[in-house]
Amino acid sequence: AQSVTQPDIHITVSEGASLELRCNYSYGATPYLFWYVQSPGQGLQLLLKYFSGDTLVQGIKGFEAEFKRSQSSFNLRKPSVHWSDAAEYFCAVGASSGDKLTFGTGTRLAVRP
Amino acid sequence: KAGVTQTPRYLIKTRGQQVTLSCSPISGHRSVSWYQQTPGQGLQFLFEYFSETQRNKGNFPGRFSGRQFSNSRSEMNVSTLELGDSALYLCASSTQGPPNEKLFFGSGTQLSVL
Repeated sequence: AQSVTQPDIHITVSEGASLELRCNYSYGATPYLFWYVQSPGQGLQLLLKYFSGDTLVQGIKGFEAEFKRSQSSFNLRKPSVHWSDAAEYFCAVGASSGDKLTFGTGTRLAVRP
Repeated sequence: KAGVTQTPRYLIKTRGQQVTLSCSPISGHRSVSWYQQTPGQGLQFLFEYFSETQRNKGNFPGRFSGRQFSNSRSEMNVSTLELGDSALYLCASSTQGPPNEKLFFGSGTQLSVL
């Protein structure tokens, strides 16, 4: 069965600073990988996804993520954080042979003015 | 196009009661998944329905059940509520369902069990 680990529960960055949120997954074959964002009081919104091909994927709101098979990682990055990026971020993995999506426990991002 | 609609937005119940939550997917979406979200636990998968059939189920007790209607609207029911059932319940819809599709989430139903 697949699993996802987001090692950072809370992260605080200053506005304008760069951001990297970590995600490690466990799955034997090539997984389907996603990053979702949840603003307070809202449901989740897809930021980006990786299925195959180019290991650097671009998403909405200026986010990108890089798939590294050797490290079983799919870290989310943004070069310059805006105050509106304060939210909770979830990494998720789907098995190519399976039929469900498994989410990590989330990383809550705070942005310092 | 209307998004995923979940009702009610908030619920307060007492232990032992039962509750029914509703989810209306995006028009044309036939898959509805339900998740339980609690602080520190992330999203725990409850079940997924596609064309009125339950296709997948998570590791929750039988007190948690669901169904899907012919118009793709879905309900989940929790019987004999326990304090630990307090959580945000999210539903998500898509055309064909996980694992490789974008899911569209509702804003959730916040359930408090007293």
